[in-house]
Amino acid sequence: AQSVTQLGSHVSVSEGALVLLRCNYSSSVPPYLFWYVQYPNQGLQLLLKYTTGATLVKGINGFEAEFKKSETSFHLTKPSAHMSDAAEYFCAVSDSNDYKLSFGAGTTVTVRA
Amino acid sequence: KAGVTQTPRYLIKTRGQQVTLSCSPISGHRSVSWYQQTPGQGLQFLFEYFSETQRNKGNFPGRFSGRQFSNSRSEMNVSTLELGDSALYLCASSDQGVGNTEAFFGQGTRLTVV
Repeated sequence: AQSVTQLGSHVSVSEGALVLLRCNYSSSVPPYLFWYVQYPNQGLQLLLKYTTGATLVKGINGFEAEFKKSETSFHLTKPSAHMSDAAEYFCAVSDSNDYKLSFGAGTTVTVRA
Repeated sequence: KAGVTQTPRYLIKTRGQQVTLSCSPISGHRSVSWYQQTPGQGLQFLFEYFSETQRNKGNFPGRFSGRQFSNSRSEMNVSTLELGDSALYLCASSDQGVGNTEAFFGQGTRLTVV
């Protein structure tokens, strides 16, 4: 069974500062890892995903994440925060056998002007 | 191409009633999965269907059921509604199932049970 832990339920950053959201996973098989973003009253939008291959994954809106198997981590970063990045972010894990996403509890990002 | 469409967007029901939510996946996608989102429990997996077959089911009581039609559209039903069923219900569609294919989410149905 897979599970995800997101460290920090709220993160506040200044506009232009680094955004770092932490995600650790547990999986008994090689995982597929995802980051989703959710804006108020909206569904989830995929930011990026790791399946196989290159461990540094680039996504939309300037976000990227690095898969570190030794640390069982998949942290999300963005070098320079923008006001439009204010949202809730979810890390999720899946494998190829159970056809479901297991989500972390989410991290709410606020961006200060 | 059109995204995932969930209807209705908002719903208010009374305890004890039943409700049916609908999800139309992206054209060509055969996998539809459902998730419940609440402030207390977060995002929890309900079930997944592929070509009309349920392939996986989450840990929800039997009051929660679903089905998928031959055109890949899916419905979920909740019978004997409880206050705790108030949530945002999200549907996701993908080509073969989440994992190595991307899942696209609808905007959700906000269910309020009073």
